[in-house]
Amino acid sequence: DSGVTQTPKHLITATGQRVTLRCSPRSGDLSVYWYQQSLDQGLQFLIQYYNGEERAKGNILERFSAQQFPDLHSELNLSSLELGDSALYFCASSVGDRGGTGELFFGEGSRLTVL
Amino acid sequence: ILNVEQSPQSLHVQEGDSTNFTCSFPSSNFYALHWYRWETAKSPEALFVMTLNGDEKKKGRISATLNTKEGYSYLYIKGSQPEDSATYLCACMDTGRRALTFGSGTRLQVQP
Repeated sequence: DSGVTQTPKHLITATGQRVTLRCSPRSGDLSVYWYQQSLDQGLQFLIQYYNGEERAKGNILERFSAQQFPDLHSELNLSSLELGDSALYFCASSVGDRGGTGELFFGEGSRLTVL
Repeated sequence: ILNVEQSPQSLHVQEGDSTNFTCSFPSSNFYALHWYRWETAKSPEALFVMTLNGDEKKKGRISATLNTKEGYSYLYIKGSQPEDSATYLCACMDTGRRALTFGSGTRLQVQP
């Protein structure tokens, strides 16, 4: 158990809908990262928050947004969903703000299926 | 975006075999390299974090080396066991320190 909690574990929805994925980081970790893993692709970095502020942005679509709340949990909002958004979405946390020299702790992921 | 490549894509070995995989990354502006182990239906778990050229790290039967000048890292598994079956991911960060970029992984299958 990494200490990172993600909900829901599975989610099935229709195209055009909006969903919210939630992540609670490990106790004491200030950084939260979101990664997307689509079929046959590696982990793609979406966005990172540190202590409530956006720190780094990857190839995150404009239809996606995220935030980190004062209690350090984070939410990833996916809107106007398309079939291609079906993927496993991972949240990870780390103590520091860059995750360079500190390891990332991953949640179990939220599997999104868009029909 | 960094280009992090791992080879081979997949590997089948017999129990007891030793094996190794490669992670290649841009040598310029290197900052850190991570190795993660990802078992099916679980979440990736960190094996090693390496920052210095020539670093060698070991955890049980698994070890890793780092060559930042030529831009590669090797992961070695000595005497593979079926429980070593997993996907091994490497991830790299440059001095821009914006994000860890992951390779596509090497899927290892150890036959009993």
